[in-house]
Amino acid sequence: GENVEQHPSTLSVQEGDSAVIKCTYSDSASNYFPWYKQELGKGPQLIIDIRSNVGEKKDQRIAVTLNKTAKHFSLHITETQPEDSAVYFCAPNTGGFKTIFGAGTRLFVKA
Amino acid sequence: KAGVTQTPRYLIKTRGQQVTLSCSPISGHRSVSWYQQTPGQGLQFLFEYFSETQRNKGNFPGRFSGRQFSNSRSEMNVSTLELGDSALYLCASRGQGAAFGYTFGSGTRLTVV
Repeated sequence: GENVEQHPSTLSVQEGDSAVIKCTYSDSASNYFPWYKQELGKGPQLIIDIRSNVGEKKDQRIAVTLNKTAKHFSLHITETQPEDSAVYFCAPNTGGFKTIFGAGTRLFVKA
Repeated sequence: KAGVTQTPRYLIKTRGQQVTLSCSPISGHRSVSWYQQTPGQGLQFLFEYFSETQRNKGNFPGRFSGRQFSNSRSEMNVSTLELGDSALYLCASRGQGAAFGYTFGSGTRLTVV
Protein backbone atom coordinates (compact mmCIF):
# COMPACT_ATOMS: atom_id res chain seq x y z
CA GLY A 1 0.00 0.00 0.00
CA GLU A 2 0.91 3.69 -0.04
CA ASN A 3 3.66 4.74 2.33
CA VAL A 4 3.78 8.42 3.28
CA GLU A 5 6.51 9.97 5.41
CA GLN A 6 6.83 13.51 6.67
CA HIS A 7 9.93 15.22 8.00
CA PRO A 8 10.60 16.74 10.40
CA SER A 9 8.04 15.67 12.99
CA THR A 10 8.64 18.88 14.94
CA LEU A 11 9.97 22.20 13.72
CA SER A 12 10.68 25.30 15.77
CA VAL A 13 11.51 28.59 14.05
CA GLN A 14 11.86 32.24 15.00
CA GLU A 15 9.16 34.60 13.78
CA GLY A 16 10.13 35.90 10.34
CA ASP A 17 12.21 32.85 9.44
CA SER A 18 11.27 30.30 6.78
CA ALA A 19 9.99 26.78 7.41
CA VAL A 20 10.17 23.77 5.09
CA ILE A 21 8.37 20.47 5.55
CA LYS A 22 9.03 17.51 3.27
CA CYS A 23 6.68 14.68 2.32
CA THR A 24 7.90 11.47 0.68
CA TYR A 25 5.49 9.00 -0.89
CA SER A 26 5.80 5.58 -2.47
CA ASP A 27 2.91 5.29 -4.95
CA SER A 28 4.11 6.52 -8.34
CA ALA A 29 0.45 6.81 -9.45
CA SER A 30 -0.06 9.75 -7.07
CA ASN A 31 -1.20 12.78 -9.02
CA TYR A 32 -2.55 15.18 -6.40
CA PHE A 33 -0.44 16.67 -3.62
CA PRO A 34 -2.19 18.73 -0.93
CA TRP A 35 -1.08 20.18 2.38
CA TYR A 36 -3.41 20.62 5.34
CA LYS A 37 -3.08 22.77 8.46
CA GLN A 38 -4.70 21.73 11.72
CA GLU A 39 -5.10 24.20 14.55
CA LEU A 40 -6.02 23.24 18.09
CA GLY A 41 -9.61 22.07 18.41
CA LYS A 42 -10.29 22.14 14.68
CA GLY A 43 -10.29 19.73 11.77
CA PRO A 44 -7.50 19.92 9.18
CA GLN A 45 -7.88 22.66 6.58
CA LEU A 46 -6.59 22.49 3.00
CA ILE A 47 -4.08 25.32 2.57
CA ILE A 48 -2.42 24.59 -0.77
CA ASP A 49 -2.29 21.83 -3.34
CA ILE A 50 -0.54 20.96 -6.57
CA ARG A 51 -1.23 18.58 -9.39
CA SER A 52 1.32 16.36 -11.08
CA ASN A 53 1.65 18.46 -14.21
CA VAL A 54 2.93 21.43 -12.19
CA GLY A 55 6.28 21.75 -10.40
CA GLU A 56 5.59 24.65 -8.08
CA LYS A 57 2.67 26.70 -6.82
CA LYS A 58 2.66 29.81 -4.63
CA ASP A 59 -0.02 31.50 -2.59
CA GLN A 60 1.27 34.56 -0.74
CA ARG A 61 3.64 33.26 1.97
CA ILE A 62 3.16 29.57 1.27
CA ALA A 63 4.37 27.47 -1.63
CA VAL A 64 4.46 23.80 -2.59
CA THR A 65 7.15 22.23 -4.78
CA LEU A 66 6.92 18.80 -6.38
CA ASN A 67 9.63 16.40 -7.50
CA LYS A 68 7.79 13.47 -9.12
CA THR A 69 10.97 11.68 -10.11
CA ALA A 70 12.15 11.53 -6.51
CA LYS A 71 8.57 11.11 -5.20
CA HIS A 72 8.53 13.95 -2.73
CA PHE A 73 6.90 17.33 -2.34
CA SER A 74 7.52 20.12 0.12
CA LEU A 75 5.66 22.90 1.89
CA HIS A 76 7.49 26.22 2.18
CA ILE A 77 6.34 28.96 4.53
CA THR A 78 8.19 32.28 4.36
CA GLU A 79 8.15 35.14 6.87
CA THR A 80 6.57 32.89 9.50
CA GLN A 81 4.14 34.40 12.00
CA PRO A 82 2.87 33.08 15.35
CA GLU A 83 -0.47 32.18 13.72
CA ASP A 84 1.39 29.70 11.50
CA SER A 85 1.92 27.55 14.60
CA ALA A 86 -0.09 24.38 13.95
CA VAL A 87 0.24 20.79 12.79
CA TYR A 88 0.74 20.32 9.05
CA PHE A 89 -0.17 17.16 7.13
CA CYS A 90 0.57 16.02 3.60
CA ALA A 91 -1.83 13.64 1.84
CA PRO A 92 -0.69 12.51 -1.64
CA ASN A 93 -3.51 10.91 -3.60
CA THR A 94 -3.99 8.90 -6.77
CA GLY A 95 -7.55 10.09 -7.21
CA GLY A 96 -8.87 6.89 -5.68
CA PHE A 97 -11.14 6.34 -2.72
CA LYS A 98 -8.52 6.24 0.01
CA THR A 99 -6.16 8.96 1.14
CA ILE A 100 -3.25 8.25 3.46
CA PHE A 101 -2.08 11.20 5.53
CA GLY A 102 1.46 11.76 6.70
CA ALA A 103 2.08 11.59 10.45
CA GLY A 104 2.12 15.38 10.73
CA THR A 105 4.67 18.10 11.49
CA ARG A 106 4.19 20.28 14.53
CA LEU A 107 5.41 23.80 13.73
CA PHE A 108 6.20 26.25 16.51
CA VAL A 109 6.81 29.86 15.58
CA LYS A 110 8.48 31.77 18.41
CA ALA A 111 7.68 35.46 18.69
CA LYS B 1 -21.71 27.85 1.83
CA ALA B 2 -22.15 25.77 4.98
CA GLY B 3 -19.19 23.61 5.97
CA VAL B 4 -19.05 19.99 7.02
CA THR B 5 -21.15 19.50 10.14
CA GLN B 6 -20.45 16.75 12.64
CA THR B 7 -22.65 15.89 15.59
CA PRO B 8 -22.27 15.55 18.45
CA ARG B 9 -19.06 17.49 19.22
CA TYR B 10 -18.35 15.58 22.43
CA LEU B 11 -19.44 12.18 23.67
CA ILE B 12 -18.67 10.10 26.74
CA LYS B 13 -19.54 6.40 26.61
CA THR B 14 -18.91 3.35 28.76
CA ARG B 15 -16.97 0.30 27.61
CA GLY B 16 -19.21 -2.19 25.83
CA GLN B 17 -21.71 0.41 24.65
CA GLN B 18 -22.21 1.43 21.05
CA VAL B 19 -22.15 4.89 19.50
CA THR B 20 -23.35 6.55 16.29
CA LEU B 21 -21.71 9.67 14.89
CA SER B 22 -23.24 11.85 12.20
CA CYS B 23 -21.78 13.89 9.36
CA SER B 24 -23.44 16.30 6.93
CA PRO B 25 -21.16 17.08 3.98
CA ILE B 26 -20.94 20.27 1.99
CA SER B 27 -23.92 20.60 -0.32
CA GLY B 28 -23.16 18.93 -3.63
CA HIS B 29 -20.32 16.78 -2.27
CA ARG B 30 -21.07 13.10 -2.76
CA SER B 31 -17.90 11.68 -1.28
CA VAL B 32 -17.59 11.37 2.50
CA SER B 33 -14.58 9.96 4.36
CA TRP B 34 -14.06 9.17 8.02
CA TYR B 35 -10.78 9.32 9.91
CA GLN B 36 -9.76 8.48 13.46
CA GLN B 37 -7.22 10.82 15.02
CA THR B 38 -5.22 9.93 18.12
CA PRO B 39 -2.07 11.59 19.47
CA GLY B 40 0.11 8.56 18.81
CA GLN B 41 -1.33 7.39 15.48
CA GLY B 42 -2.13 10.53 13.54
CA LEU B 43 -4.98 10.42 11.03
CA GLN B 44 -6.06 6.85 10.35
CA PHE B 45 -8.38 6.15 7.42
CA LEU B 46 -11.63 4.40 8.37
CA PHE B 47 -13.70 4.39 5.17
CA GLU B 48 -14.89 6.43 2.23
CA TYR B 49 -18.38 6.52 0.80
CA PHE B 50 -19.54 7.74 -2.59
CA SER B 51 -23.13 7.62 -3.81
CA GLU B 52 -24.24 5.51 -0.85
CA THR B 53 -21.59 2.84 -1.48
CA GLN B 54 -18.51 2.14 0.62
CA ARG B 55 -15.64 2.49 -1.86
CA ASN B 56 -12.74 1.67 0.43
CA LYS B 57 -12.09 0.65 4.00
CA GLY B 58 -9.13 1.06 6.32
CA ASN B 59 -7.58 -1.47 8.62
CA PHE B 60 -10.10 -1.37 11.47
CA PRO B 61 -12.06 -4.20 13.09
CA GLY B 62 -15.61 -4.98 12.04
CA ARG B 63 -16.91 -3.10 15.10
CA PHE B 64 -16.46 0.03 13.00
CA SER B 65 -19.11 0.47 10.34
CA GLY B 66 -20.70 3.24 8.41
CA ARG B 67 -23.30 4.14 5.87
CA GLN B 68 -24.26 6.96 3.55
CA PHE B 69 -27.75 8.13 2.75
CA SER B 70 -29.22 9.35 -0.53
CA ASN B 71 -28.70 12.98 0.55
CA SER B 72 -24.97 12.18 1.07
CA ARG B 73 -25.20 12.49 4.86
CA SER B 74 -23.17 9.79 6.54
CA GLU B 75 -23.10 8.00 9.87
CA MET B 76 -20.48 5.84 11.45
CA ASN B 77 -21.14 3.32 14.20
CA VAL B 78 -18.81 1.73 16.70
CA SER B 79 -20.14 -1.25 18.62
CA THR B 80 -18.79 -2.83 21.81
CA LEU B 81 -16.68 0.19 22.64
CA GLU B 82 -13.17 -0.29 24.01
CA LEU B 83 -11.00 2.19 25.91
CA GLY B 84 -8.71 2.40 22.88
CA ASP B 85 -11.54 3.78 20.77
CA SER B 86 -11.20 7.11 22.56
CA ALA B 87 -10.22 9.54 19.82
CA LEU B 88 -11.25 12.44 17.66
CA TYR B 89 -13.37 11.19 14.76
CA LEU B 90 -13.18 13.40 11.71
CA CYS B 91 -15.48 13.45 8.74
CA ALA B 92 -14.46 15.02 5.43
CA SER B 93 -16.23 15.58 2.16
CA ARG B 94 -14.89 16.39 -1.28
CA GLY B 95 -16.11 17.17 -4.76
CA GLN B 96 -16.59 14.55 -7.43
CA GLY B 97 -13.71 13.48 -9.60
CA ALA B 98 -10.04 12.86 -9.10
CA ALA B 99 -7.69 15.22 -7.34
CA PHE B 100 -9.97 17.15 -5.02
CA GLY B 101 -9.02 18.19 -1.54
CA TYR B 102 -11.04 17.40 1.54
CA THR B 103 -13.11 19.77 3.61
CA PHE B 104 -13.09 18.52 7.18
CA GLY B 105 -15.59 18.96 9.96
CA SER B 106 -14.49 19.90 13.47
CA GLY B 107 -14.80 16.31 14.60
CA THR B 108 -16.49 14.37 17.37
CA ARG B 109 -14.39 13.83 20.48
CA LEU B 110 -15.28 10.38 21.83
CA THR B 111 -14.15 9.36 25.30
CA VAL B 112 -14.69 5.78 26.42
CA VAL B 113 -14.56 5.20 30.19
